[in-house]
Amino acid sequence: DGGITQSPKYLFRKEGQNVTLSCEQNLNHDAMYWYRQDPGQGLRLIYYSQIVNDFQKGDIAEGYSVSREKKESFPLTVTSAQKNPTAFYLCASSKATGGNSPTYEQYFGPGTRLTVT
Amino acid sequence: AQSVTQLGSHVSVSEGALVLLRCNYSSSVPPYLFWYVQYPNQGLQLLLKYTTGATLVKGINGFEAEFKKSETSFHLTKPSAHMSDAAEYFCAVRETGFQKLVFGTGTRLLVSP
Repeated sequence: DGGITQSPKYLFRKEGQNVTLSCEQNLNHDAMYWYRQDPGQGLRLIYYSQIVNDFQKGDIAEGYSVSREKKESFPLTVTSAQKNPTAFYLCASSKATGGNSPTYEQYFGPGTRLTVT
Repeated sequence: AQSVTQLGSHVSVSEGALVLLRCNYSSSVPPYLFWYVQYPNQGLQLLLKYTTGATLVKGINGFEAEFKKSETSFHLTKPSAHMSDAAEYFCAVRETGFQKLVFGTGTRLLVSP
């Protein structure tokens, strides 16, 4: 079955450590996204990538970094510079659909809950 | 910039009652609109979407939404709530020409027996 996998489901780290969250998709989608979810704040875009070897900052990129070396993979690194990294992180992907009017609907992975103490 | 407002962070209904979750958007161009559902500790699942054409959109699990341009709204409804509908619901807007989605802050639906 095609889909998006994120690992691990739960991650615990000490303050000051960098940590990398995995995101893999086998949907053959071109675009991939990372969101951060905090209670009462909805989803906020961290980074997105439309093609391999290219990515753009979202609304809250500070303290995060990404790479896109393969179409299937879009790992997110939470660095020690991120002041409040404890959150639920969601990865998504999309492709152009709808012929001349693509809708780019996004498909989401199951998420990784990161706790930093 | 486009934005989405979801009125009510929590909505409570009884099983069998009408579900109405409100979403208003702002956009300078005709929008693409989406409703997603999220169960606890899971990712988001697409319920339905509006792009162009028919303004009443039917989705999965018996949900539907109506795009009203004059009211800049895209409210989500279901005639009869089930216990399994208890979840958080997110409205999102994507402007034509951009791949990003802007999400509302979500509405948690509580269903009582």
